[in-house]
Amino acid sequence: QLQLQESGPGLVKPSETLSLTCTVSGASISRGSYYWGWVRQPPGNGLEWIGSVFSGGNTYYSPSLKSRATISADASKNQFSLTLSSVTAADTAVYYCSRVFDFWGPGTFVTVS
Amino acid sequence: QAGLAQPPSVSKGLGQTATLTCTGNNNNVGNSGADWLQQRQGHPPKLLFYRDNNRPSGISERLSASRSGNTASLTITELQPEDEADYYCSAWDGSLRDQLFGGGTKLTVL
Repeated sequence: QLQLQESGPGLVKPSETLSLTCTVSGASISRGSYYWGWVRQPPGNGLEWIGSVFSGGNTYYSPSLKSRATISADASKNQFSLTLSSVTAADTAVYYCSRVFDFWGPGTFVTVS
Repeated sequence: QAGLAQPPSVSKGLGQTATLTCTGNNNNVGNSGADWLQQRQGHPPKLLFYRDNNRPSGISERLSASRSGNTASLTITELQPEDEADYYCSAWDGSLRDQLFGGGTKLTVL
């Protein structure tokens, strides 16, 4: 069974860079035709797509976050990662990784303060 | 404003039928179809349907999905307490190059 697990700091200071990693088990991120992505959810709000990396390596970003977000994949570790630069309080959210969108990690809450 | 429109809330009685809607345009729902996700309080989203009406394994047959033009619909029959959740639609917008989510509909089962 495919499982995803987010990891990273739960607290980031304003203007610094948020870094999260999603570790995938049960399937290879480099095989098949799948998108592996990041979605966030501010407290009490809805879902927001951040971006995705395709199994072949191409990346796609939300236009609103494209200037600050970078998604990369490490097939050797079966992980994909998110960095979000110059964070503000508005970036406080639960961050989910997903095999778009049929499998999800449990989410990790990141506070910017 | 670009995005997918969902009613903020729907309330129905136990055993009744609820139909949730998601309205986009020709660049998103009308072109690529919609996905539906359920999110219970404190849990990650769960995929219910992809590309309009394709059901992943394990999804109850009390749920069905369809699309007419730029509006996608999710219907849940014989409502149960466990159906109480937030429901989101999502679609790829080829013009914006963005994966859009609706604002979500909170379904309350009375």
